[in-house]
Amino acid sequence: AQSVSQHNHHVILSEAASLELGCNYSYGGTVNLFWYVQYPGQHLQLLLKYFSGDPLVKGIKGFEAEFIKSKFSFNLRKPSVQWSDTAEYFCAVSTGGSNYKLTFGKGTLLTVNP
Amino acid sequence: DTAVSQTPKYLVTQMGNDKSIKCEQNLGHDTMYWYKQDSKKFLKIMFSYNNKELIINETVPNRFSPKSPDKAHLNLHINSLELGDSAVYFCASSLGDRAFFGQGTRLTVV
Repeated sequence: AQSVSQHNHHVILSEAASLELGCNYSYGGTVNLFWYVQYPGQHLQLLLKYFSGDPLVKGIKGFEAEFIKSKFSFNLRKPSVQWSDTAEYFCAVSTGGSNYKLTFGKGTLLTVNP
Repeated sequence: DTAVSQTPKYLVTQMGNDKSIKCEQNLGHDTMYWYKQDSKKFLKIMFSYNNKELIINETVPNRFSPKSPDKAHLNLHINSLELGDSAVYFCASSLGDRAFFGQGTRLTVV
């Protein structure tokens, strides 16, 4: 069964700092990779996803993630964070197919100080 | 025009009660899910239905019973609620590669 590890439980940054959130997964086969964001009091929203092709994926709000197959990693990055990026970020993996199932990491809380 | 809607948004109840959470999606998706987010924010899948048929049933106490009257609805009924059931429950639907989530139902058992 697949599993997802997010290395950072809580990250605190100042505005304009660069962000990188780590995500590693374990699964021997083909995976689909996702980053979801949960803003305070809101539901989960999809930031970006990787299925195939260019391993550097660009998402909404200036976020991007790079799939490195040899490292089983899918780290999330943003060059310059804003106070409004304060949220919980979840990495997730699915093995695709018709029985679509997401396995989530435990999440990383990002706090951006103005 | 909410895509995935859950009711209620908040639910506070006493131990031992039976409660239901409703979920409806207007996206025409075939697959619906229930996820549980515990106090540590860890999300875990509970159930998945595809065209009203149970596909995934993770290790969940049988006090939890999903019901899918039609493709657009997946309700979650919980019997004999326990303190440990306190969590946020998310409904989701998907068609192929992307899941849409509801706003969540925060269940507090006292």
